[in-house]
Amino acid sequence: KAGVTQTPRYLIKTRGQQVTLSCSPISGHRSVSWYQQTPGQGLQFLFEYFSETQRNKGNFPGRFSGRQFSNSRSEMNVSTLELGDSALYLCASSFLAGGPDTQYFGPGTRLTVL
Amino acid sequence: QQPVQSPQAVILREGEDAVINCSSSKALYSVHWYRQKHGEAPVFLMILLKGGEQKGHEKISASFNEKKQQSSLYLTASQLSYSGTYFCGTEGGAQKLVFGQGTRLTINP
Repeated sequence: KAGVTQTPRYLIKTRGQQVTLSCSPISGHRSVSWYQQTPGQGLQFLFEYFSETQRNKGNFPGRFSGRQFSNSRSEMNVSTLELGDSALYLCASSFLAGGPDTQYFGPGTRLTVL
Repeated sequence: QQPVQSPQAVILREGEDAVINCSSSKALYSVHWYRQKHGEAPVFLMILLKGGEQKGHEKISASFNEKKQQSSLYLTASQLSYSGTYFCGTEGGAQKLVFGQGTRLTINP
């Protein structure tokens, strides 16, 4: 089975721009979660989508948004980029929406904001 | 509430044992353990469920103390390949998983 894929792997943007990241989950998985990883804050939950609906959302400003398509692929958008948005963005897929289900992470998208 | 991991970092020689702890101030229903090598994605190791069920790795074991709201990961006879940062994650109510700050494990030959 193919793993979780994320595109692009690397991005360089400037302040004020917007960016869209893409995540394709493992075949059959309908839950996709997004995390931001930085050296200072660690792994922080952004949001989770299941069957095209946002189930949960972390403590991030409204500039961070996402969506999920009928094929379970998900996109994450960050508008009006700030320097502090520089991070590794990871998506993870799982079969179930909640509960103790294993999450499988993609390789991440490294976003640098200049 | 973010779980607290200890120690923050540990350095071992190959063959030595290590214990990594994860504590939460909230009731735990499950604890998830991941390992992340530098520049790579976190890789699932193990889930511990309330009630004692474990699912995961062959050579790594863990415990889950529901009363103390703690979990410990045991790495015995460590190998060079065990190096990396270990994260515990707990179900966080509105969040899919809330991760600890990580424990950096370095195994030297």
